[in-house]
Amino acid sequence: GAGVSQSPSNKVTEKGKDVELRCDPISGHTALYWYRQRLGQGLEFLIYFQGNSAPDKSGLPSDRFSAERTGESVSTLTIQRTQQEDSAVYLCASSQGQGGGYEQYFGPGTRLTVT
Amino acid sequence: GNSVTQMEGPVTLSEEAFLTINCTYTATGYPSLFWYVQYPGEGLQLLLKATKADDKGSNKGFEATYRKETTSFHLEKGSVQVSDSAVYFCAYNTNAGKSTFGDGTTLTVKP
Repeated sequence: GAGVSQSPSNKVTEKGKDVELRCDPISGHTALYWYRQRLGQGLEFLIYFQGNSAPDKSGLPSDRFSAERTGESVSTLTIQRTQQEDSAVYLCASSQGQGGGYEQYFGPGTRLTVT
Repeated sequence: GNSVTQMEGPVTLSEEAFLTINCTYTATGYPSLFWYVQYPGEGLQLLLKATKADDKGSNKGFEATYRKETTSFHLEKGSVQVSDSAVYFCAYNTNAGKSTFGDGTTLTVKP
């Protein structure tokens, strides 16, 4: 079946502009995660959705970052007034359940470059 | 706080060498432990996992044992191949759902 998809695959934007990144999780997966991966570094947790529960936003680095998810489907990550330090690969992952032994299935990522 | 510490890379080995990538974690309770792999040009994918103490995860010749007493989950393979060249990430899940990843270890295997 289809895996996690993300769009766009690449995004170049000017400093100060807003960007919206999209994630389509695997159908039926109740949990969805967003991560940021800077060049040569590990995954930085941003936000986590589980079903209809309130999302865990504890990883969002500033109020310029926000994310939404409609039910158990598509999620969008919005970065307002982008800065150069926002340049990174943004990864989305989904899983069948909440934490525990459930593995995450990752999308290919969106590479964001802020000029 | 919660964290995952992995052996720093890059690691370069010759084909058929023995591989160990160390991973230790700091977490409360009983997390589930994972190794993910990112091959060149591909997305992250699960390599193996263990959900309770003393469990051994294994896949593609790789193994890791959940050691609660040492809070470790070291990745091992007896004989690496060129095709194992990739970035390896150690991670854990808490039952509350949040995941924590290590910084990744780059492995290069030379023929």
